Amino acid sequence: AQSVSQHNHHVILSEAASLELGCNYSYGGTVNLFWYVQYPGQHLQLLLKYFSGDPLVKGIKGFEAEFIKSKFSFNLRKPSVQWSDTAEYFCAVNAYNAGNMLTFGGGTRLMVKP
Amino acid sequence: KAGVTQTPRYLIKTRGQQVTLSCSPISGHRSVSWYQQTPGQGLQFLFEYFSETQRNKGNFPGRFSGRQFSNSRSEMNVSTLELGDSALYLCASSPGAIAGGLGANVLTFGAGSRLTVL
Repeated sequence: AQSVSQHNHHVILSEAASLELGCNYSYGGTVNLFWYVQYPGQHLQLLLKYFSGDPLVKGIKGFEAEFIKSKFSFNLRKPSVQWSDTAEYFCAVNAYNAGNMLTFGGGTRLMVKP
Repeated sequence: KAGVTQTPRYLIKTRGQQVTLSCSPISGHRSVSWYQQTPGQGLQFLFEYFSETQRNKGNFPGRFSGRQFSNSRSEMNVSTLELGDSALYLCASSPGAIAGGLGANVLTFGAGSRLTVL
């Protein structure tokens, strides 16, 4: 069975600071990778996804993530955060033969101070 | 187009009761998945239905069950409720054609049904 680790549980940044959230997974086969975001009071929304091809994927709101297969990692980055990025971020893995079953990491709560 | 609709949004039950939650997927989506979200355990997969058949099941006891109807709407049921079942139950839909196919596994989540067990 696959597992996902998000090492940063809480992150506090000032506006304009750069962001990198770590995500590591354990699964030996082909995977699809996702980052979801949950803004306060809102439902989970897709931030970006990786299925295949270029390991650097770009998502909404200036976020990007890099898939490093050798490190089983899919870290999320943003060069300059805004107060509106305050949210909880979830990394998720879908094994290629597991239908639509996602395994989520524990989440990272990001607070951006204005 | 309309998103994933879950009803009821909030409910309170007592231990031993049972509860049924409903999910209407995005029109045209054939896969419906259910997740439980709690502060302690995070987001955990319950089960996935595709074309009225359970395609995957997570590690939850048999008290948790679900079904999908011919119009892709889905229900989940929890019997003999326990205090630990208090959670936000999320439904997600996707086109769900071929596992791993481009676009097949992008889940769109609903707002959830928040269950409190007293």
